[in-house]
Amino acid sequence: EIVLTQSPDTLSLSPGERATLSCRASQSVSANYLAWHQQKPGQAPRLLIYGASNRATGIPDRFSGSGSGTDFTLTISRLEPEDFAVYYCQQYGTALITFGQGTRLEIK
Amino acid sequence: EVQLLESGGNLVQPGGSLTLSCAASGFTFSSYAMSWVRQAPGKGLEWVSSISNAGTTYNAESVKGRFTISRDNSKNTLCLQMDNLRVEDTALYYCAKGRQAFDVWGQGTMVTVSP
Repeated sequence: EIVLTQSPDTLSLSPGERATLSCRASQSVSANYLAWHQQKPGQAPRLLIYGASNRATGIPDRFSGSGSGTDFTLTISRLEPEDFAVYYCQQYGTALITFGQGTRLEIK
Repeated sequence: EVQLLESGGNLVQPGGSLTLSCAASGFTFSSYAMSWVRQAPGKGLEWVSSISNAGTTYNAESVKGRFTISRDNSKNTLCLQMDNLRVEDTALYYCAKGRQAFDVWGQGTMVTVSP
C-alpha cells in the first residue's frame, strides 16, 4: 500500500497570500495518478486536480498541481476566503487507493 | 446534473449487518466504475471499495471479507453490504463516481456501530 504523507498538517495564511501544500508518497505513484480534493466543513469532498496537474471541471485557475514520482504539490496562487478548507491528496495508481491525512488551511 | 444520493445508514450493534445504497443520476451509470469512501468523525478520508463497470471488485484490507460492493445497472444503483460490523466502522460513507480520481461525490450516509 502506498502511504501518502501531507505537510504541513495545518497552514495559517491570509487572503491574497500564496499557499503551497505538499504530498509525499512512500513509493512512486504510477503514471502520476495523483489527485487533490478540497473539503469544507459539513460538505462532501470536491475534486480539484487529477493526473497530478490537470484541473477538474469548473476549478479556478488559481489552483495548480505539480510534481511526479513521489513528490507532489498543490499551489493556490492567491487565496480567496472560500479556499480555507481541508485538502487531501489521493493516489489511484494501484488497486489499493489511498489518501493523505489532510492539510487544514486556516485563516491567519 | 450528475447526482449521487446515498441511503441506508443507521445505528447498529457490533457484529451486525447493514446495506447502503447509492442512487445515481445524470450520467450513464453502466459506463463508469463506482466507489465507496468513508470518513470517521473528525478524521480523514479512507477508501473502502470499488467496482468496475464490468463488475470487478476491489476492497481495502480493513473491510476484506466483511463488506461486499455490488451494482445494479438496470436501476442505476450502487450497494455496499456490510457484515460483522465493528465499532471502528463508524463513519460517514460517501458514494463516489469512478475508481481513479473521484470526480463526483454524494453527501454521505452515517453508519454508527455501538453496543
